[in-house]
Amino acid sequence: NAGVTQTPKFRILKIGQSMTLQCTQDMNHNYMYWYRQDPGMGLKLIYYSVGAGITDKGEVPNGYNVSRSTTEDFPLRLELAAPSQTSVYFCAHQERKGSNTGELFFGEGSRLTVL
Amino acid sequence: QKEVEQDPGPLSVPEGAIVSLNCTYSNSAFQYFMWYRQYSRKGPELLMYTYSSGNKEDGRFTAQVDKSSKYISLFIRDSQPSDSATYLCAMARSGNTGKLIFGQGTTLQVKP
Repeated sequence: NAGVTQTPKFRILKIGQSMTLQCTQDMNHNYMYWYRQDPGMGLKLIYYSVGAGITDKGEVPNGYNVSRSTTEDFPLRLELAAPSQTSVYFCAHQERKGSNTGELFFGEGSRLTVL
Repeated sequence: QKEVEQDPGPLSVPEGAIVSLNCTYSNSAFQYFMWYRQYSRKGPELLMYTYSSGNKEDGRFTAQVDKSSKYISLFIRDSQPSDSATYLCAMARSGNTGKLIFGQGTTLQVKP
């Protein structure tokens, strides 16, 4: 599982509901990311974190929130779900040491449908 | 104009064929170029990684970057049915190489 676990794997939400996608990594890596992938499209960065207590926006952050209280966990919260948030959500982690550019390890994804 | 353009295919080839996958990009600030492979209903996995221009070879896979033309390629030699997947190009500026800009992916099917 590339050292990262995402839950739930599938979820159907009604418009206006809220939910949290969970992501946990066991590699003790500092950098973590949330991407979304719409059907037939590439991935887009939602939020990322460079360490516990530090988060920043990516390319498509609207409608989402994140927190990073521990190195292991990086949950993604959807407030007031909208049909446009129907997508597959991928969490990823990355080791960074100085100027080294580490590989991104992706989870298997959480498939969310908003009806 | 999208920052990264990739022909979505689908691309169907017979086993043993040479496959060429390509991406173009518009942002000259990109320094890191990657190819990810994504099997159906799985997360992407890193296949090839190149910094700046040049070629890189790993077994049956060769990645090429031409920064002057803003064009990158992935070649697969002696393609196998197990190569059937979606191939995503991705790029990053210097600084945070986890902040990737992806192409939309090319779906490849290798027929036995």
